Amino acid sequence: DGGITQSPKYLFRKEGQNVTLSCEQNLNHDAMYWYRQDPGQGLRLIYYSQIVNDFQKGDIAEGYSVSREKKESFPLTVTSAQKNPTAFYLCASTRDRGLGTHNEQFFGPGTRLTVL
Amino acid sequence: DQQVKQNSPSLSVQEGRISILNCDYTNSMFDYFLWYKKYPAEGPTFLISISSIKDKNEDGRFTVFLNKSAKHLSLHIVPSQPGDSAVYFCAASFYNSGNTPLVFGKGTRLSVIA
Repeated sequence: DGGITQSPKYLFRKEGQNVTLSCEQNLNHDAMYWYRQDPGQGLRLIYYSQIVNDFQKGDIAEGYSVSREKKESFPLTVTSAQKNPTAFYLCASTRDRGLGTHNEQFFGPGTRLTVL
Repeated sequence: DQQVKQNSPSLSVQEGRISILNCDYTNSMFDYFLWYKKYPAEGPTFLISISSIKDKNEDGRFTVFLNKSAKHLSLHIVPSQPGDSAVYFCAASFYNSGNTPLVFGKGTRLSVIA
């Protein structure tokens, strides 16, 4: 089955610790995205990557870091610099059909991070 | 500044009636719009989309209407069912965007009451 997997579903960490959230896709999609969802805030973009070894900051990148060493993987690290890390984190991907096309994003199931 | 706005945080509708979810946008360069449905603790799933060259797109019980002059779109669900209870996100993109990210609204929570 093709899809996006995020693990774990629930994650608990102590304040001050870095934590890495996993995102893997076997859809052969080119672009991958990380969003954060907070109550009443909708989906806010953290980072995105359109090709391997390249990524761009989104609207709320401070306190986060990413890497894109492989096409199918886009891990997100929540660092101790992130002031309010407790949230629901969503990973998404799209297939690149080129400029002038519309690309629907497919989402993973999400990871709920709670910092104690 | 929010480019995609969903001004109603919540909506309650009786089962069998019509649900109408609204979305406004400010950037006239947007030309493709999508609706996603999200259940708690799950990722959003794509529902329906519309290109700016159309004013209506229909898929079963779901219809999206686009009014470009008003920069407004709406999602109609007829008839509404209890399983439709979820948060609905409106999203927008540009035609020549390639893989640039979608711009999402804050969502509207729909409750369908049996």
